Amino acid sequence: SAVISQKPSRDICQRGTSLTIQCQVDSQVTMMFWYRQQPGQSLTLIATANQGSEATYESGFVIDKFPISRPNLTFSTLTVSNMSPEDSSIYLCSVVDRSSYEQYFGPGTRLTVT
Amino acid sequence: SQQGEEDPQALSIQEGENATMNCSYKTSINNLQWYRQNSGRGLVHLILIRSNEREKHSGRLRVTLDTSKKSSSLLITASRAADTASYFCATDAGGYQKVTFGTGTKLQVIP
Repeated sequence: SAVISQKPSRDICQRGTSLTIQCQVDSQVTMMFWYRQQPGQSLTLIATANQGSEATYESGFVIDKFPISRPNLTFSTLTVSNMSPEDSSIYLCSVVDRSSYEQYFGPGTRLTVT
Repeated sequence: SQQGEEDPQALSIQEGENATMNCSYKTSINNLQWYRQNSGRGLVHLILIRSNEREKHSGRLRVTLDTSKKSSSLLITASRAADTASYFCATDAGGYQKVTFGTGTKLQVIP
């Protein structure tokens, strides 16, 4: 299984600012996924990040609000821009094991916007 | 939108009892996975069952899949207090391998 790390693990941010979350995987992967989990809710896919191409966003999520970078096959960043209290959530990155199709998640970044 | 719904939403049992959670989904799938999440932390992968499999075991976990009914169940036998967590099913239906999560079941195991 893949080992995934995220930074920061948590942050408290002011309204109107931006936060960039980093995701590092211990092996090369084609696709990385970013999810959001709002308080008490399930996980919702934000976007799929492919190395060398633009990220693909799910309905309800836009690049201006959640820009994503994917500079290589082991790393990705998600930025939460112009934050509001509604952005307070856990943000998780994820990868799929190519051989087993099992999907693994990072430990998450707990974001609180005040 | 959620692909799946789980029931019950919450379940409280005594230690040693079995816990059963159900997941229903809407579209055809390639795989179905179950995850555990403790107190809003990261997700722990429990088990993956493929669409051509009907049952799978891993330790105290037993997962069944009924593609005709578009449903799956997770059975935890001889539950322990440490099993207290939220459990999610997630389905992989598309070619991009992304998974869509169910609504989750919150399990409490009382010592």
